[in-house]
Amino acid sequence: ETGVTQSPTHLIKTRGQQVTLRCSSQSGHNTVSWYQQALGQGPQFIFQYYREEENGRGNFPPRFSGLQFPNYSSELNVNALELDDSALYLCASRIWNSYEQYFGPGTRLTVT
Amino acid sequence: SQELEQSPQSLIVQEGKNLTINCTSSKTLYGLYWYKQKYGEGLIFLMMLQKGGEEKSHEKITAKLDEKKQQSSLHITASQPSHAGIYLCGADAGSGNTGKLIFGQGTTLQVKP
Repeated sequence: ETGVTQSPTHLIKTRGQQVTLRCSSQSGHNTVSWYQQALGQGPQFIFQYYREEENGRGNFPPRFSGLQFPNYSSELNVNALELDDSALYLCASRIWNSYEQYFGPGTRLTVT
Repeated sequence: SQELEQSPQSLIVQEGKNLTINCTSSKTLYGLYWYKQKYGEGLIFLMMLQKGGEEKSHEKITAKLDEKKQQSSLHITASQPSHAGIYLCGADAGSGNTGKLIFGQGTTLQVKP
Protein backbone atom coordinates (compact mmCIF):
# COMPACT_ATOMS: atom_id res chain seq x y z
CA GLU A 1 0.00 0.00 0.00
CA THR A 2 1.46 3.34 -1.07
CA GLY A 3 1.25 6.22 1.37
CA VAL A 4 0.60 9.88 0.61
CA THR A 5 3.31 11.38 -1.58
CA GLN A 6 4.02 15.02 -2.38
CA SER A 7 6.19 16.84 -4.89
CA PRO A 8 8.41 18.69 -4.98
CA THR A 9 10.17 18.33 -1.65
CA HIS A 10 11.50 21.87 -1.62
CA LEU A 11 10.77 24.93 -3.68
CA ILE A 12 12.08 28.48 -3.78
CA LYS A 13 9.99 31.18 -5.44
CA THR A 14 10.05 34.94 -5.73
CA ARG A 15 7.33 37.20 -4.37
CA GLY A 16 4.59 37.68 -6.95
CA GLN A 17 5.18 34.38 -8.71
CA GLN A 18 2.79 31.44 -8.87
CA VAL A 19 3.40 27.91 -7.60
CA THR A 20 1.80 24.48 -8.01
CA LEU A 21 2.25 21.72 -5.46
CA ARG A 22 1.22 18.14 -6.08
CA CYS A 23 -0.14 15.32 -3.94
CA SER A 24 -0.93 11.67 -4.57
CA SER A 25 -3.43 10.15 -2.16
CA GLN A 26 -2.94 6.94 -0.28
CA SER A 27 -4.35 4.03 -2.24
CA GLY A 28 -8.15 3.86 -1.91
CA HIS A 29 -8.50 7.32 -0.40
CA ASN A 30 -10.93 9.61 -2.22
CA THR A 31 -10.68 12.77 -0.11
CA VAL A 32 -7.74 15.15 0.01
CA SER A 33 -7.04 18.08 2.31
CA TRP A 34 -4.28 20.67 2.23
CA TYR A 35 -2.71 22.33 5.24
CA GLN A 36 -0.20 25.14 5.71
CA GLN A 37 2.26 24.88 8.58
CA ALA A 38 4.32 27.94 9.44
CA LEU A 39 7.49 27.46 11.44
CA GLY A 40 6.76 26.65 15.07
CA GLN A 41 3.01 26.41 14.54
CA GLY A 42 0.47 23.65 14.10
CA PRO A 43 -0.92 23.00 10.60
CA GLN A 44 -3.76 25.23 9.39
CA PHE A 45 -6.51 23.83 7.19
CA ILE A 46 -6.61 25.35 3.69
CA PHE A 47 -9.31 23.28 1.94
CA GLN A 48 -10.61 19.79 1.30
CA TYR A 49 -11.54 18.12 -2.01
CA TYR A 50 -14.00 15.31 -2.55
CA ARG A 51 -15.37 14.13 -5.89
CA GLU A 52 -13.22 16.73 -7.61
CA GLU A 53 -14.97 19.60 -5.83
CA GLU A 54 -13.94 21.83 -2.97
CA ASN A 55 -15.69 20.65 0.19
CA GLY A 56 -14.75 22.95 3.03
CA ARG A 57 -12.32 25.84 3.14
CA GLY A 58 -10.31 27.46 5.90
CA ASN A 59 -9.46 31.11 6.31
CA PHE A 60 -7.32 31.49 3.20
CA PRO A 61 -7.72 34.02 0.36
CA PRO A 62 -8.90 33.03 -3.14
CA ARG A 63 -5.36 33.11 -4.49
CA PHE A 64 -5.08 29.69 -2.84
CA SER A 65 -6.89 27.28 -5.14
CA GLY A 66 -6.90 23.58 -5.76
CA LEU A 67 -7.84 20.74 -8.02
CA GLN A 68 -8.63 17.09 -7.51
CA PHE A 69 -8.33 14.68 -10.41
CA PRO A 70 -10.33 11.51 -11.18
CA ASN A 71 -7.52 9.38 -9.76
CA TYR A 72 -7.90 11.38 -6.50
CA SER A 73 -4.53 13.10 -6.82
CA SER A 74 -4.57 16.80 -6.11
CA GLU A 75 -2.85 20.11 -6.75
CA LEU A 76 -2.54 23.23 -4.65
CA ASN A 77 -2.01 26.44 -6.57
CA VAL A 78 -0.95 29.70 -4.99
CA ASN A 79 -0.94 32.90 -7.05
CA ALA A 80 0.78 36.21 -6.32
CA LEU A 81 3.08 34.69 -3.72
CA GLU A 82 3.78 36.69 -0.58
CA LEU A 83 6.64 36.33 1.85
CA ASP A 84 4.22 35.00 4.49
CA ASP A 85 3.36 32.09 2.22
CA SER A 86 6.70 30.55 3.15
CA ALA A 87 5.75 27.39 5.01
CA LEU A 88 5.54 23.61 4.93
CA TYR A 89 2.52 22.57 2.85
CA LEU A 90 1.01 19.27 3.87
CA CYS A 91 -1.42 17.11 2.01
CA ALA A 92 -3.61 14.59 3.82
CA SER A 93 -5.88 11.92 2.44
CA ARG A 94 -8.69 9.81 3.85
CA ILE A 95 -11.70 7.80 2.77
CA TRP A 96 -14.73 10.07 2.76
CA ASN A 97 -16.48 9.94 6.16
CA SER A 98 -13.68 8.04 7.82
CA TYR A 99 -11.95 9.72 10.73
CA GLU A 100 -8.33 8.90 10.07
CA GLN A 101 -6.34 11.29 7.91
CA TYR A 102 -2.89 10.33 6.70
CA PHE A 103 -0.37 13.02 5.89
CA GLY A 104 2.31 13.25 3.26
CA PRO A 105 5.89 14.39 3.95
CA GLY A 106 5.15 17.96 2.87
CA THR A 107 6.58 20.51 0.46
CA ARG A 108 8.77 23.22 1.93
CA LEU A 109 8.04 26.49 0.10
CA THR A 110 10.33 29.47 0.53
CA VAL A 111 9.28 32.83 -0.91
CA THR A 112 12.03 35.43 -1.26
CA SER B 1 -13.99 29.31 16.83
CA GLN B 2 -12.51 26.32 18.55
CA GLU B 3 -8.96 26.45 19.82
CA LEU B 4 -6.60 23.79 21.08
CA GLU B 5 -3.92 24.60 23.60
CA GLN B 6 -1.07 22.22 24.34
CA SER B 7 1.13 22.14 27.39
CA PRO B 8 3.96 22.16 27.87
CA GLN B 9 5.29 23.84 24.71
CA SER B 10 8.55 21.96 25.07
CA LEU B 11 9.90 19.18 27.20
CA ILE B 12 13.36 17.72 27.83
CA VAL B 13 13.45 14.39 29.63
CA GLN B 14 16.08 11.84 30.48
CA GLU B 15 15.78 8.54 28.67
CA GLY B 16 13.68 6.12 30.66
CA LYS B 17 11.54 8.79 32.30
CA ASN B 18 7.78 9.06 31.92
CA LEU B 19 6.11 12.19 30.59
CA THR B 20 2.68 13.65 29.89
CA ILE B 21 1.51 16.15 27.29
CA ASN B 22 -1.85 17.84 27.65
CA CYS B 23 -4.28 19.22 25.09
CA THR B 24 -7.18 21.44 26.16
CA SER B 25 -10.02 22.46 23.90
CA SER B 26 -12.16 25.60 24.15
CA LYS B 27 -15.18 23.54 23.01
CA THR B 28 -16.47 19.98 23.28
CA LEU B 29 -14.35 17.56 21.29
CA TYR B 30 -16.07 15.24 18.83
CA GLY B 31 -12.83 13.51 17.97
CA LEU B 32 -9.30 14.10 19.19
CA TYR B 33 -6.27 13.13 17.17
CA TRP B 34 -2.67 12.74 18.22
CA TYR B 35 0.07 13.03 15.62
CA LYS B 36 3.85 12.98 15.84
CA GLN B 37 6.06 15.06 13.54
CA LYS B 38 9.78 14.98 12.98
CA TYR B 39 11.09 18.47 12.36
CA GLY B 40 10.15 19.66 8.87
CA GLU B 41 8.46 16.38 7.92
CA GLY B 42 4.93 15.07 7.61
CA LEU B 43 2.64 14.04 10.45
CA ILE B 44 2.51 10.45 11.64
CA PHE B 45 -0.89 9.33 12.91
CA LEU B 46 -0.69 7.96 16.45
CA MET B 47 -4.28 7.50 17.57
CA MET B 48 -7.75 8.98 17.65
CA LEU B 49 -10.18 9.19 20.56
CA GLN B 50 -13.90 9.77 20.26
CA LYS B 51 -15.71 8.77 23.40
CA GLY B 52 -15.50 10.51 26.74
CA GLY B 53 -13.34 8.43 29.06
CA GLU B 54 -11.77 6.56 26.17
CA GLU B 55 -8.18 5.42 26.49
CA LYS B 56 -5.96 3.95 23.79
CA SER B 57 -2.44 2.63 23.83
CA HIS B 58 0.16 1.95 21.19
CA GLU B 59 3.45 0.50 22.36
CA LYS B 60 4.55 2.84 25.17
CA ILE B 61 2.20 5.69 24.30
CA THR B 62 -1.21 6.04 25.96
CA ALA B 63 -3.79 8.71 25.22
CA LYS B 64 -6.94 9.53 27.16
CA LEU B 65 -9.95 11.73 26.48
CA ASP B 66 -11.61 13.04 29.62
CA GLU B 67 -15.29 12.43 30.39
CA LYS B 68 -16.29 15.99 29.53
CA LYS B 69 -14.48 15.68 26.20
CA GLN B 70 -12.59 18.94 26.46
CA GLN B 71 -9.16 17.67 27.41
CA SER B 72 -6.83 14.90 26.33
CA SER B 73 -3.51 13.71 27.64
CA LEU B 74 -0.72 11.77 25.96
CA HIS B 75 1.50 9.75 28.25
CA ILE B 76 4.79 8.15 27.27
CA THR B 77 6.21 5.48 29.54
CA ALA B 78 9.95 4.85 29.76
CA SER B 79 10.83 7.38 27.06
CA GLN B 80 13.40 6.55 24.40
CA PRO B 81 15.34 8.77 21.96
CA SER B 82 13.01 7.50 19.21
CA HIS B 83 10.14 9.29 20.97
CA ALA B 84 11.73 12.67 20.28
CA GLY B 85 9.79 14.96 17.99
CA ILE B 86 6.84 17.32 17.91
CA TYR B 87 3.53 16.03 19.23
CA LEU B 88 0.40 17.65 17.86
CA CYS B 89 -3.16 17.27 19.00
CA GLY B 90 -5.87 17.89 16.44
CA ALA B 91 -9.65 18.04 16.43
CA ASP B 92 -12.39 18.28 13.88
CA ALA B 93 -13.42 21.92 13.57
CA GLY B 94 -17.04 20.92 13.03
CA SER B 95 -19.39 19.02 15.29
CA GLY B 96 -18.80 15.71 13.62
CA ASN B 97 -16.55 14.36 10.90
CA THR B 98 -16.01 17.25 8.48
CA GLY B 99 -12.37 16.35 7.93
CA LYS B 100 -11.36 19.92 8.63
CA LEU B 101 -8.82 19.58 11.43
CA ILE B 102 -7.55 22.27 13.72
CA PHE B 103 -4.33 21.71 15.61
CA GLY B 104 -2.63 22.83 18.76
CA GLN B 105 0.69 24.58 18.46
CA GLY B 106 2.62 21.40 19.22
CA THR B 107 4.84 20.13 22.03
CA THR B 108 8.49 19.58 21.24
CA LEU B 109 9.97 16.61 23.06
CA GLN B 110 13.68 15.98 23.46
CA VAL B 111 14.88 12.75 25.07
CA LYS B 112 18.42 12.80 26.40
CA PRO B 113 20.29 9.47 26.30
